Amino acid sequence: QLQLQESGPGLVRPSETLSLTCTVSGGSIRTSDYYWAWIRQPPGKGLEWIGSINYSGNTYNNPSLKTRVTIAVDTSKNQFSLKLSSVTGADTAVYFCAYHYRNYENSWLDPWGQGTLVTVSS
Amino acid sequence: SSELTQDPAVSVALGQTVRITCQGDSLRAYYASWYQQKPGQAPLLVIYGDNNRPSGIPDRFSGATSGSTASLTITGAQAEDEADYYCNSRDSSGNLLLFGGGTKLTVL
Repeated sequence: QLQLQESGPGLVRPSETLSLTCTVSGGSIRTSDYYWAWIRQPPGKGLEWIGSINYSGNTYNNPSLKTRVTIAVDTSKNQFSLKLSSVTGADTAVYFCAYHYRNYENSWLDPWGQGTLVTVSS
Repeated sequence: SSELTQDPAVSVALGQTVRITCQGDSLRAYYASWYQQKPGQAPLLVIYGDNNRPSGIPDRFSGATSGSTASLTITGAQAEDEADYYCNSRDSSGNLLLFGGGTKLTVL
């Protein structure tokens, strides 16, 4: 059964870069119809999709985060990663990774990692 | 369109039927998926491909789309169904994912 687990620092200073890794177990990250997604949720607020990547490195990112986001995949480690630069307090959130099915008119996210809280503070 | 709109809160009496809606122009072209989120937990997929249930999701959960409105129906709501529910689909370009703002379901 596929499982995803986020890891990374829980505290990041303002203006620095947030870096998270999602480790995939129970299956290969090299799956043609699937993408791998990052989603975040500020405390007490709704879900926001950050971006998705497939095993060959094709990415789709949320334009609201503009050029601050870099998503990469490491097939040798069965991991994918998120880097968010120039963070502010508005980037404080629980960050989730998820398996993203994307094909024709269909798209869904399942399963999800448990999420990791990242706080931006000096 | 770049938005999916949900009612912020809905309530239902125990055992009754409730419908949670999600409006957006892109739903005319792309299927919605629905997620249940309980406090402190990751979202859980309950409906995908408009009206398909993942394994383990009770059959009291169903989905449908009419025009630009997708809906999640819980037939015979249970106390454990009290949660936040989010719809999800693509934007009109097909490249980006959108979430609705979420609906807090209270089971009375």
